[in-house]
Amino acid sequence: AQSVTQLGSHVSVSEGALVLLRCNYSSSVPPYLFWYVQYPNQGLQLLLKYTTGATLVKGINGFEAEFKKSETSFHLTKPSAHMSDAAEYFCAVSDREDNNDMRFGAGTRLTVKP
Amino acid sequence: GAGVSQSPSNKVTEKGKDVELRCDPISGHTALYWYRQSLGQGLEFLIYFQGNSAPDKSGLPSDRFSAERTGGSVSTLTIQRTQQEDSAVYLCASSIQAGSETQYFGPGTRLLVL
Repeated sequence: AQSVTQLGSHVSVSEGALVLLRCNYSSSVPPYLFWYVQYPNQGLQLLLKYTTGATLVKGINGFEAEFKKSETSFHLTKPSAHMSDAAEYFCAVSDREDNNDMRFGAGTRLTVKP
Repeated sequence: GAGVSQSPSNKVTEKGKDVELRCDPISGHTALYWYRQSLGQGLEFLIYFQGNSAPDKSGLPSDRFSAERTGGSVSTLTIQRTQQEDSAVYLCASSIQAGSETQYFGPGTRLLVL
């Protein structure tokens, strides 16, 4: 079965600094990979996803992630953090086309300092 | 212990009929989420409950969709006058508390509207 590991349950950056949230996956077949964001008191919201094709995926709010098969990674980055980026971020993996067996990581809480 | 359970696992209905989908969260989890997952897509947030109240109903796609939760436990998602575009997998998730914990997902209810 597929699984996801997010390194670092908490990440703190200064406003304007680079954001890097790490995600490594395990899957026996080519994976579908997702990043979700959860703002306080809201449900999960899809940031971006990789299914096939280009390995660098751009999402909403200036985030992007790169699928690196050799490293089994799908790290999330943003060049310059905004205060509004403070949230919990979840990486997810699915190894089925209908994504009916999606597994989420434990989440990384991003704090942005002024 | 038992995870999140959902029933029915599959539902086929005719356009125009009402359907009820049930979710039993993990015992002790105060937050409960409903998502919809269409073929090849990530999760679409519908609604979430903290206890019996629903602070965020922004994801409900139309007034045909409603949900309730009683006793801080079981939740029912009701779709009235179903349409073909309602066909999807409806996922329920629960977490210890809203906003800060990993969401544990149920197996989903696959709804097909003919």
